[in-house]
Amino acid sequence: QLQLQESGPGLVKPSETLSLTCTVSGGSISSSLYFWGWIRQPPGKGLEWIGSIYYSGITYYNPPLKSRVTTSVDTSKNQLSLRLSSVTAADTAVYYCARGDYGSGTSYFNFWGQGSLVTVSS
Amino acid sequence: DIQMTQSPSSLSASVGDRVTITCRASQDIANFLNWYQQKPGKAPKLLIYDASNLDTGVSSRFSGSGSGADFTFTISNLQPEDIGTYYCQQYDNLPLTFGGGTKVEIK
Repeated sequence: QLQLQESGPGLVKPSETLSLTCTVSGGSISSSLYFWGWIRQPPGKGLEWIGSIYYSGITYYNPPLKSRVTTSVDTSKNQLSLRLSSVTAADTAVYYCARGDYGSGTSYFNFWGQGSLVTVSS
Repeated sequence: DIQMTQSPSSLSASVGDRVTITCRASQDIANFLNWYQQKPGKAPKLLIYDASNLDTGVSSRFSGSGSGADFTFTISNLQPEDIGTYYCQQYDNLPLTFGGGTKVEIK
């Protein structure tokens, strides 16, 4: 069974860079059948898509975050990573990684990590 | 960006009731819509993709319909384990966007 596990610091200072890793087990991160995404959820609020990365290396980011976000895949470690620079309190959220299925016109996230709470505070 | 508007934002219903949630897109998104369930403290779980297709292993008490800009999600025979927040999500255009969520509680 595919499993995703986010990891990283739970506390980040304002203006610094948030870094998270998502370790994938039970499946290969380098399959061309899937894509990978990051989604976040501020405490008590709804879901916000951060960005997605495809097997080809193509990335797509949510425009409000695009200038601060970098995502990458490390196939040797079966991990994906997220970096968000110049964070503020507004970036405090639970961050999820997820695997997406696509093809024949469809696209959805059907495997999610448990989420990692990142608090931005001095 | 495509705005997704869900209603109601919360509801309370009795066990066995039929519950309906609506999701309206700010433009035509064909059937490019998914529904997720999020239980308290847990990650979202895909229930329905392409507006009406049940994901593998998901209870048949859940169903979805609609196309264009108006969509409906239904829970028939509401059960205690169905409590949580339900989100619609469009993938017609980037950025991917979610509805604001509908919190379902048991009376």
